[in-house]
Amino acid sequence: EAGVTQSPTHLIKTRGQQVTLRCSPISGHTSVYWYQQALGLGLQFLLWYDEGEERNRGNFPPRFSGRQFPNYSSELNVNALELEDSALYLCASSADRGLGEAFFGQGTRLTVV
Amino acid sequence: SQQGEEDPQALSIQEGENATMNCSYKTSINNLQWYRQNSGRGLVHLILIRSNEREKHSGRLRVTLDTSKKSSSLLITASRAADTASYFCATAPNSGNTPLVFGKGTRLSVIA
Repeated sequence: EAGVTQSPTHLIKTRGQQVTLRCSPISGHTSVYWYQQALGLGLQFLLWYDEGEERNRGNFPPRFSGRQFPNYSSELNVNALELEDSALYLCASSADRGLGEAFFGQGTRLTVV
Repeated sequence: SQQGEEDPQALSIQEGENATMNCSYKTSINNLQWYRQNSGRGLVHLILIRSNEREKHSGRLRVTLDTSKKSSSLLITASRAADTASYFCATAPNSGNTPLVFGKGTRLSVIA
């Protein structure tokens, strides 16, 4: 069974640019979560999608947005990149709306210069 | 905001010793989970303990949960160099539409 896949694995962008990160959940999982992990820090919750709808949003500015497609894959968009957006962006999926085990992808390492 | 807070932030032990990490949280929970992360990669689920459980075992892992104190502990027995990683607790709150909330993690170093 394929796990959660994220693309790209690494990305370098210039301040002010826009970026799109992609995530494919495990087959059958309807919930997708996005987390930001700055270097050496814990995971900060960004967004939660379930059944195509945004269920919850973390304390991040509106330039962080995303969506979930009918096949439950998801995109995270970040506009007007800032240096402090440099982080590991982790996507996770689960089958039971946040109550059970979350399966993580390997993340996208974003560097903003 | 962070729900769980792990303690200690970093732990260094010799191979063969036991490692204990603690997690405190603030609100009522449905369950608490522990995850492991190797070198800035994705997290791997280790164990889930429900709010009505007090202790759970999985191989060399033992997790306890004290809901009256809003705390949990993860014990890794007979540690190995391969256990070197960051360990995170995550809480699944009782309120709906609230995702897993992670602590800041404990960095464990097991020295061979």
